[in-house]
Amino acid sequence: GAGVSQTPSNKVTEKGKYVELRCDPISGHTALYWYRQSLGQGPEFLIYFQGTGAADDSGLPNDRFFAVRPEGSVSTLKIQRTERGDSAVYLCASSLYLGPSNEQYFGPGTRLTVT
Amino acid sequence: KQEVTQIPAALSVPEGENLVLNCSFTDSAIYNLQWFRQDPGKGLTSLLLIQSSQREQTSGRLNASLDKSSGRSTLYIAASQPGDSATYLCAVTNTGNQFYFGTGTSLTVIP
Repeated sequence: GAGVSQTPSNKVTEKGKYVELRCDPISGHTALYWYRQSLGQGPEFLIYFQGTGAADDSGLPNDRFFAVRPEGSVSTLKIQRTERGDSAVYLCASSLYLGPSNEQYFGPGTRLTVT
Repeated sequence: KQEVTQIPAALSVPEGENLVLNCSFTDSAIYNLQWFRQDPGKGLTSLLLIQSSQREQTSGRLNASLDKSSGRSTLYIAASQPGDSATYLCAVTNTGNQFYFGTGTSLTVIP
């Protein structure tokens, strides 16, 4: 079956520009997570959705970052006024439901480079 | 805040050896722990998930154990193969939503 997909796979943008990163979760998965992974580090939690609402956005680094999931399926991570420090791989994951046995399934990630 | 540490950071073994990767976490009140594999330039592949009430999980040549009270988990790989070469990450959650990852162990299996 189809896994989690993310587009684009690579994005190069200039400092100060706006970018949108898209995540298509596994069909039927109610929970969706965004992470950011810098070189040589483990993924760092950004935000988590249960259905359409952002249940926990405590990992977003500042107000330049925003994410939506309007219909409870596809999610978009939006970054305004990009900075070079935003360069990283942005990973999306989904799980069937929230619970102790919820297994996260990850997409391949979007590599963002801010020049 | 939960902190996750993985030791060693890198490991190189000859093909056929059994090996153990270690993961420790500071807050033992976890919901579950998950082990992942990451190949260069790729996303994460789930290997094993251990719920807080469980002590171990097995899949093929992989066995993961959990000692919640001491804040430790190990991933045991039997009869290692060159195809096992990758970075192995563990992640824990205290609430079921926010997951904390270690920095990973980079494994190289030499043919």
